[in-house]
Amino acid sequence: QSVLTQPPSVSGAPGQTITISCTGSGSNIGAGYDVHWYQQLPGTAPKLIIYGNINRPSGVPDRFSGSKSGTSASLAISGLQAEDEADYYCQSHDSSLGASLVFGGGTRLTVL
Amino acid sequence: QVTLKESGPALVKPTQTLTLTCTFSGMSLKTTGMRVGWIRQPPGKALEWLARIDWDDEKFYNTSLKTRLTLSKDTSKNQVVLTMTNMDPVDTATYFCARIGGSGWFSYIETCGQGTLVTVSS
Repeated sequence: QSVLTQPPSVSGAPGQTITISCTGSGSNIGAGYDVHWYQQLPGTAPKLIIYGNINRPSGVPDRFSGSKSGTSASLAISGLQAEDEADYYCQSHDSSLGASLVFGGGTRLTVL
Repeated sequence: QVTLKESGPALVKPTQTLTLTCTFSGMSLKTTGMRVGWIRQPPGKALEWLARIDWDDEKFYNTSLKTRLTLSKDTSKNQVVLTMTNMDPVDTATYFCARIGGSGWFSYIETCGQGTLVTVSS
């Protein structure tokens, strides 16, 4: 069972906007630790798409955006494209687990 | 450009020790602030953080796996080695090494290697 909770799946049609939630607790997201997001295409390594809650690494389209409030965070993808179909993971830290990175269980995005 | 690549056995038997090597380029563990970590992903399951080694040789381990994990580095070869003892079929997973970005409690995986699938079976 993951420390951070994500919906198992979301779906949307091309062009639409979807959001993926990441729910934590007072010992992780609620404690002020940053949330980061990764995209994992089938058969590939995870790729960083949002760091520090809201920042995009160079090369990541501005269709991807992140936000954080209280004990939760969200990833939004606007103008959905077929190539966005992938698994998405959130990640943070938890004060009860030392220096460990903690992950969500992952969300499978299906582009209809 | 930073690249990392994992190498090691594809198959290990239960109770054996797994040794994985991460060979990287475009960065150095002699550089202040540099950090390399390992994560794994069982087939069809979520990511799990394993361990991290820093430029100053400080090491951090997943608390649940701490007794089984050991990290070391060879800065002359640009390599980090992860050993995991007493392997079990539940340890079957793709193992990734990664450059860790950010700092302290605000760390993240900046970039990963392609991963190596390790199957534990007799």
